[in-house]
Amino acid sequence: GAVVSQHPSWVICKSGTSVKIECRSLDFQATTMFWYRQFPKQSLMLMATSNEGSKATYEQGVEKDKFLINHASLTLSTLTVTSAHPEDSSFYICSARDSIGAQGLWGEKLFFGSGTQLSVL
Amino acid sequence: AQSVTQPDIHITVSEGASLELRCNYSYGATPYLFWYVQSPGQGLQLLLKYFSGDTLVQGIKGFEAEFKRSQSSFNLRKPSVHWSDAAEYFCAVRPRGSTLGRLYFGRGTQLTVWP
Repeated sequence: GAVVSQHPSWVICKSGTSVKIECRSLDFQATTMFWYRQFPKQSLMLMATSNEGSKATYEQGVEKDKFLINHASLTLSTLTVTSAHPEDSSFYICSARDSIGAQGLWGEKLFFGSGTQLSVL
Repeated sequence: AQSVTQPDIHITVSEGASLELRCNYSYGATPYLFWYVQSPGQGLQLLLKYFSGDTLVQGIKGFEAEFKRSQSSFNLRKPSVHWSDAAEYFCAVRPRGSTLGRLYFGRGTQLTVWP
C-alpha cells in the first residue's frame, strides 16, 4: 500500500534554531500535501495545504514566515520551523494526496506520515 | 463556529466488550465524515467514511459508524473489542466543496483495552 515517510520522528532543538521536517511519498506522486500540528489533548489542526510547484496556502492564524513549506517535487514536501521557540513544541503530521495513481480505501487516496514530535528547549 | 467534537478524551473497555466512540460536528452543511485510527509510531489509518446514502457505514477491522443528521453525530462502534484495537481514534470532517484531503479533526479519543 501507499506509504508516506516522515522524518525525523522526534527532534529536540534549542530556542532560536530552525528545524526541518520532511515528508516523502514513497510509491506515489503527491500532488497535494497537508501539514497539521497537534498539541497534547487537542485536535490535529490543519496548518497549510501545498500543491507541487506552488506556494502553500496557510490556514488563518498560521504564520507563513515562521512555518516555511516547500513542495518542490511530487514526492517531497518539507516544513521548516524557523527560529523555533518553546511554544512551537508540538506534534507535526503530514498527509499526502495521490490524485493520479494509487487508491487508498474507498478512493480517498490520502495517506499520513507517522508524525514528528518537536521539543524546543 | 465550525467544530468537530470528541467528548471523550480516554475510554477504557474490557476485551470482548462493545465500544462506542462519540463524534459531533457543527457545520452549516453536512460535511464528509471520517474516522481514523492511529497506533504508536504509525500514520493515521482510515477506518471508514460517510459521504451520502446509507447512514450506517461499515469499515475495516469490524468497525461501523452511524450518521445521525438530527444529532449532527457520527459515532463509531464495534460490537466486540480486541486488545489490538487499543489506539487513538480521530473523527474528522471535510467540508462540502473543499479540497480533497483537507480535513478538520476532533481532538481524539484514546482507547485502552483491558485483557
